[in-house]
Amino acid sequence: EAGVAQSPRYKIIEKRQSVAFWCNPISGHATLYWYQQILGQGPKLLIQFQNNGVVDDSQLPKDRFSAERLKGVDSTLKIQPAKLEDSAVYLCASSSGLSNTEAFFGQGTRLTVV
Amino acid sequence: RKEVEQDPGPFNVPEGATVAFNCTYSNSASQSFFWYRQDCRKEPKLLMSVYSSGNEDGRFTAQLNRASQYISLLIRDSKLSDSATYLCVVRYAGKSTFGDGTTLTVKP
Repeated sequence: EAGVAQSPRYKIIEKRQSVAFWCNPISGHATLYWYQQILGQGPKLLIQFQNNGVVDDSQLPKDRFSAERLKGVDSTLKIQPAKLEDSAVYLCASSSGLSNTEAFFGQGTRLTVV
Repeated sequence: RKEVEQDPGPFNVPEGATVAFNCTYSNSASQSFFWYRQDCRKEPKLLMSVYSSGNEDGRFTAQLNRASQYISLLIRDSKLSDSATYLCVVRYAGKSTFGDGTTLTVKP
């Protein structure tokens, strides 16, 4: 079974530029998550989708971050404009959506803003 | 106060040692609990779920204390390959909150 696919693996951009990340979840997984993981910290939920609807985006900085999950399958996360403090690993995860089920993570995109 | 708190460590132990990590959570209505393992520069992976009655998987034992609002992970007979960061996860209403992790280094 294919895992969660993310691209790119690494990205370096200058502050105030824009960047987009892509995620393809495990086939059939209804729930998709985007997490931000800053070095030395645990993953912090940015947004959670159930199919193509947003379940939780309370911690998404909506002035600069946006995410969509068209057709309830793959998803993109965009940052515009980027700030230095956005340097982090952006992790996508998916789960079957049933309660207490495991979330599977992609390898993440390591973003450096200079 | 953070929703989920862990001792960051690092815990440095010799091979064969027994080591235990605790994780406290603030929401008494939390519904489910997990331990994830994260290797350096890798993604988190589920180590084990934590059940109310406690559960064991080989050398790993997880326990839940709802009254005191903490979960624990015990690793017996530590191996070099156990070196990693262990993340505590607490779930409520479908939302998972991660702790910042406890780093374990097992030395020969």
